[in-house]
Amino acid sequence: SAVISQKPSRDICQRGTSLTIQCQVDSQVTMMFWYRQQPGQSLTLIATANQGSEATYESGFVIDKFPISRPNLTFSTLTVSNMSPEDSSIYLCSVGESTEAFFGQGTRLTVV
Amino acid sequence: AQSVTQPDIHITVSEGASLELRCNYSYGATPYLFWYVQSPGQGLQLLLKYFSGDTLVQGIKGFEAEFKRSQSSFNLRKPSVHWSDAAEYFCAVAGSGGSYIPTFGRGTSLIVHP
Repeated sequence: SAVISQKPSRDICQRGTSLTIQCQVDSQVTMMFWYRQQPGQSLTLIATANQGSEATYESGFVIDKFPISRPNLTFSTLTVSNMSPEDSSIYLCSVGESTEAFFGQGTRLTVV
Repeated sequence: AQSVTQPDIHITVSEGASLELRCNYSYGATPYLFWYVQSPGQGLQLLLKYFSGDTLVQGIKGFEAEFKRSQSSFNLRKPSVHWSDAAEYFCAVAGSGGSYIPTFGRGTSLIVHP
């Protein structure tokens, strides 16, 4: 199983600023994903982070708002840009290994 | 497209009582099915999964789930709930055809009364 470390665990940010969330995995993985969990809601896939190429974004999410980096097979970052209160959510990093998904503990973001 | 329905937003049970959380899925082929639990302030932990074979699967923490193809259901059960089971429970479905990306239901919040 994969162990995922996600930083920061929580943050309170001013609107208009940006926050970069880091995701570190203890082993090399092919597939890494970023999810958003809005208050009281389920998980929504933001994008698939591809190593060596641009991330693949789901409908409703764009690179300018959520730029993603994947410099190697164990690390990825998600940036939430130009934040507004509507961006207040939990952001989760996930890796797909074989037929199971593993999740980090999430980053609880509050935008004020 | 695959989808998951968890019809119950909240479920309240007394400690020691039995529990069943409902999950219905939509998927055109044989699905992979999962139940995850999210405790307050935590990430998601896999409780159990179904890929094939025996339709009754056992998971961690005393949970089990039964896959019923005819009903497109994968309900989660526990015979005796503990106060520590209070959490958010998510059912998820993924395609069995290769690229694995689960789709989650909206979750069911379990409240346990002493």
